[in-house]
Amino acid sequence: QKEVEQNSGPLSVPEGAIASLNCTYSDRGSQSFFWYRQYSGKSPELIMSIYSNGDKEDGRFTAQLNKASQYVSLLIRDSQPSDSATYLCAVEPSSASKIIFGSGTRLSIRP
Amino acid sequence: SAVISQKPSRDICQRGTSLTIQCQVDSQVTMMFWYRQQPGQSLTLIATANQGSEATYESGFVIDKFPISRPNLTFSTLTVSNMSPEDSSIYLCSVENRLAGNNEQFFGPGTRLTVL
Repeated sequence: QKEVEQNSGPLSVPEGAIASLNCTYSDRGSQSFFWYRQYSGKSPELIMSIYSNGDKEDGRFTAQLNKASQYVSLLIRDSQPSDSATYLCAVEPSSASKIIFGSGTRLSIRP
Repeated sequence: SAVISQKPSRDICQRGTSLTIQCQVDSQVTMMFWYRQQPGQSLTLIATANQGSEATYESGFVIDKFPISRPNLTFSTLTVSNMSPEDSSIYLCSVENRLAGNNEQFFGPGTRLTVL
């Protein structure tokens, strides 16, 4: 089992709809979770971090964490064409000061 | 967040040569990391650059191939030694400042390396 798993996509969502991106992780002791956005040819950009169970909202983005089920998700409301990118889930394992990245989900927002 | 720069932004190199990539931050940070991202792939951690001591390498990466320096809290270098075409990749540094009370990592713009 991979440490951090994501569907590779592509996930195609109509403009204005909600995009839902999911991620599962294997280390039950993990406490820190991150979502990065990466445009083609650019470096990853941190968009959300979450540390506690429940929802965390920042503008059109909501991160959701469920430690019991070992999943973290990212919701993007009112999706825009500029949201088209690869979204990377990252988790800090309980045993080390580093983060492990998932393989990323390609999101495409269609007009 | 910190402003991170990398040099060079891209390079084309001949096999068997070495390239040193620099990462500079505009403020002191506790941790610096080096990643590799091969075409169409996710990020793979090469090593954690430790200030004043040897870097901590991940499985599959060795010091002889990827020597790393970190002379102070704002600067690090990664050398890709004896390059082969398989080393063609984007190399990224990232920083984390636990003194600021969080463990968020921020990335530099990357160095695109092509080995012929």
